Amino acid sequence: AQSVTQPDIHITVSEGASLELRCNYSYGATPYLFWYVQSPGQGLQLLLKYFSGDTLVQGIKGFEAEFKRSQSSFNLRKPSVHWSDAAEYFCAVGVGNYGGATNKLIFGTGTLLAVQP
Amino acid sequence: DGGITQSPKYLFRKEGQNVTLSCEQNLNHDAMYWYRQDPGQGLRLIYYSQIVNDFQKGDIAEGYSVSREKKESFPLTVTSAQKNPTAFYLCASRSPFPETQYFGPGTRLLVL
Repeated sequence: AQSVTQPDIHITVSEGASLELRCNYSYGATPYLFWYVQSPGQGLQLLLKYFSGDTLVQGIKGFEAEFKRSQSSFNLRKPSVHWSDAAEYFCAVGVGNYGGATNKLIFGTGTLLAVQP
Repeated sequence: DGGITQSPKYLFRKEGQNVTLSCEQNLNHDAMYWYRQDPGQGLRLIYYSQIVNDFQKGDIAEGYSVSREKKESFPLTVTSAQKNPTAFYLCASRSPFPETQYFGPGTRLLVL
C-alpha cells in the first residue's frame, strides 16, 4: 500500500541553523512528490515538487529537497532557518491513475518545526 | 486574483444537523478535492471530483456528501450520520500537468 512516513513529529532548531526534515515513501511506480507548509489555522502552501529529471529541486522561501530513489526518500532542507519558518511541514506522494492523472495525494502526518531565537 | 476560497472560516453544528461547507475556485481547474485534517493524523481524502457532474469517494467518505454542478464549485455536506465531525476541512483544486494540488484556507467545524 502507498504510504508516507515523516519520522520526526517535532523538531526545534536555532535561528540561522541548518534544517533537514525527513520523508520516506512507499509507492510501486515513479512517484510524484511534494512538500507543503502550514501555518496555524491556515491552508497548505506548496513549497516544492518533484516529477522527474534533476533529483535536487528548488522551492520557495529558500527550501530544497532531494529525491533518492534507492532510499525512497525526499528530504527537505534549508541552509539557514528564519523565525518565520516555524510551521508544520507535510510531505505527500501523488498516486492513482484515473484518466491518466494522479488522482489523490497521500500525506505524511507532518513535522512541527519550532525555531529558537 | 486567482485562488481558492472556502467559507465560512468557522462553522458550528448542532446535534442531528446537516451543514454545508463552501469551496469555490477561479483557477479553471477541472479536478477538486476535500480533505479532513485531525491533529497528528495528517490529511485524509473525503471526496474528489475529476470533472463536472462526476465525483468519487475517498478514504473516509462515510457521513459526507458532495455535488459538482459547476466547474468552479465543490460544496461538501457534513451529514448527521458523521458522528465525529469536529475537524479542519481543506478544499483543493488540481492543475493540469504538472499535476499539482493547491489548497484553500480551510473551514474549522465545531460541534455544539
